[in-house]
Amino acid sequence: SQTIHQWPATLVQPVGSPLSLECTVEGTSNPNLYWYRQAAGRGLQLLFYSVGIGQISSEVPQNLSASRPQDRQFILSSKKLLLSDSGFYLCAWRRTGSSEKLFFGSGTQLSVL
Amino acid sequence: DAKTTQPPSMDCAEGRAANLPCNHSTISGNEYVYWYRQIHSQGPQYIIHGLKNNETNEMASLIITEDRKSSTLILPHATLRDTAVYYCIVRVGLRRGGNKLTFGTGTQLKVEL
Repeated sequence: SQTIHQWPATLVQPVGSPLSLECTVEGTSNPNLYWYRQAAGRGLQLLFYSVGIGQISSEVPQNLSASRPQDRQFILSSKKLLLSDSGFYLCAWRRTGSSEKLFFGSGTQLSVL
Repeated sequence: DAKTTQPPSMDCAEGRAANLPCNHSTISGNEYVYWYRQIHSQGPQYIIHGLKNNETNEMASLIITEDRKSSTLILPHATLRDTAVYYCIVRVGLRRGGNKLTFGTGTQLKVEL
């Protein structure tokens, strides 16, 4: 069966510090991978998606970047965090086919102080 | 993108059916309607999806109107564990392949004794 791992669960970082959030998927190959962010009381905003190794598309301009160094690894990064980067970050993967469901990780609660 | 409109909140008595409405009047003919739910501080969980016909699975039923401009998610016997935010989403194609699921603010369903 397929599983998605996302860590850490919570993170408190000072403004201006770097960020690296990692997501890995097991049990599938060549998944489509996604990073979403959810601000407090808001819906989920798609940040990045990837259809393959080294292929990253950004949905909104921001202070963050993403990379996909391996087929089942998706990394969200920042060189210098802003207060506005605080939020709940979710990694997700999609299985292609007729049932194109998104499977989400457990999320990372990031607080930038 | 086809937008969806949902009531911000609903209450339901435990054991009764919960009927969650969604309007998607600008939906295109080949766009699917997806429903997810998010329990506080967790990743969203897939519930059901459909195109034209009504659908049923072990979690819920999805009723789509004949003109496809609205749908209703039905939880036949709501329990306290069904308390969550429910998202109605229309699938949209992305520029570089894959698909984007745009999550709005959803409906906060509160199931009470």
